[in-house]
Amino acid sequence: ILNVEQSPQSLHVQEGDSTNFTCSFPSSNFYALHWYRWETAKSPEALFVMTLNGDEKKKGRISATLNTKEGYSYLYIKGSQPEDSATYLCAFLNAGKSTFGDGTTLTVKP
Amino acid sequence: GAGVSQSPRYKVAKRGQDVALRCDPISGHVSLFWYQQALGQGPEFLTYFQNEAQLDKSGLPSDRFFAERPEGSVSTLKIQRTQQEDSAVYLCASSLSTGANYGYTFGSGTRLTVV
Repeated sequence: ILNVEQSPQSLHVQEGDSTNFTCSFPSSNFYALHWYRWETAKSPEALFVMTLNGDEKKKGRISATLNTKEGYSYLYIKGSQPEDSATYLCAFLNAGKSTFGDGTTLTVKP
Repeated sequence: GAGVSQSPRYKVAKRGQDVALRCDPISGHVSLFWYQQALGQGPEFLTYFQNEAQLDKSGLPSDRFFAERPEGSVSTLKIQRTQQEDSAVYLCASSLSTGANYGYTFGSGTRLTVV
């Protein structure tokens, strides 16, 4: 059983704050890590596909880094906005399928 | 279609009833995945298909669960003799490939409640 852990479980920040959260995964046999954003009443939406150690990806105010040797990825949100409120999931790809963490639920207060 | 379509959106079943959940993936997406999501947890893998071939069904919790994708497009997840512990959101996702660079496109899910 693959262990994919996300922390913290939930996070409440004020509008304008920057924040980050963590995904940890097995450091052996790394293939790929994906990040998804899941807004309430919508489908999970792919944010980043990360495949190489040291990868850094950016999409607007959101960015992610990857360390495959130590088995973690960070997701950063700069200047959080209320529309960033969602659950952020990471998924570790192995043997053709993804194993998801339980997510970090971010609430941004105006 | 433009996205992954799942139906029904909500299903209430009496304990012991059989249910069938449908997933219509994005046209041309070879890979199709079923996940089960309990409240407060991440999606848990059930099974996946490459075209019509079911390559991994290791996540199906019991022999009451059965999935098929006979023509390599639409897939159906069937649950026989539903139990209360089957209550969850069932998510379907499709992908161009199982390769590392291909993220999933998810449907909106089917929320199953067994009473």
